[in-house]
Amino acid sequence: EVQLVESGGGLVQPGGSLRLSCAASGFTFSSYAMSWVRQAPGKGLEWVSAISGSGGSTYYADSVKGRFTISRDNSKNTLYLQMNSLRAEDTAVYYCAKDEGPYCGGDCYSDYWGQGTLVTVSS
Amino acid sequence: EIVLTQSPGTLSLSPGERATLSCRASQSVSSSYLAWYQQKPGQAPRLLIYGASSRATGIPDRFSGSGSGTDFTLTISRLEPEDFAVYYCQQYGSSLTFGPGTKVDIK
Repeated sequence: EVQLVESGGGLVQPGGSLRLSCAASGFTFSSYAMSWVRQAPGKGLEWVSAISGSGGSTYYADSVKGRFTISRDNSKNTLYLQMNSLRAEDTAVYYCAKDEGPYCGGDCYSDYWGQGTLVTVSS
Repeated sequence: EIVLTQSPGTLSLSPGERATLSCRASQSVSSSYLAWYQQKPGQAPRLLIYGASSRATGIPDRFSGSGSGTDFTLTISRLEPEDFAVYYCQQYGSSLTFGPGTKVDIK
């Protein structure tokens, strides 16, 4: 059974940093690209970033480019999102998602999602 | 960027009725790279349909997807109590964007 468990969310001041983690199990982690998708309170879904199965290619939405960094440790079956220079508009539940194949770069559907972790940016 | 528009915004129906949800794209979605997700309150999205018409693993056959180009439809043939939720379409043919969602609630 595929399981994705996010952690690392919380309250942070504007301009601050936070690192999210996503522990994966139930599939061959290195064989699949992974994505982060966020959902602001009461709003719809927004794709944030993706990383290939090997970790060699990364992709970002324009709204986070230069501030967020996606990475993965295939030896630990874990996905990360380093978030710097956080803004109020980054407040959202952040979901990690398993993509359909190894080479997805924001151009694949996601077939499994974690339960999400809430990030609140406020002073 | 391809913008997706979903209609109606809210669909009020009774269990057993048929639900028809629309997703329209601002330009043609290549190779019918269109997916549908279901989201219940406090839960993560669940993949229902990919490739416009292929059901994901474990999805009941009362859910079906159709369409091509700029117009796509998700049909729920007979609503079950657990189907009342928000439904999002997503295109993944040109970068990746989501529609704003259609809420299916109990009439």
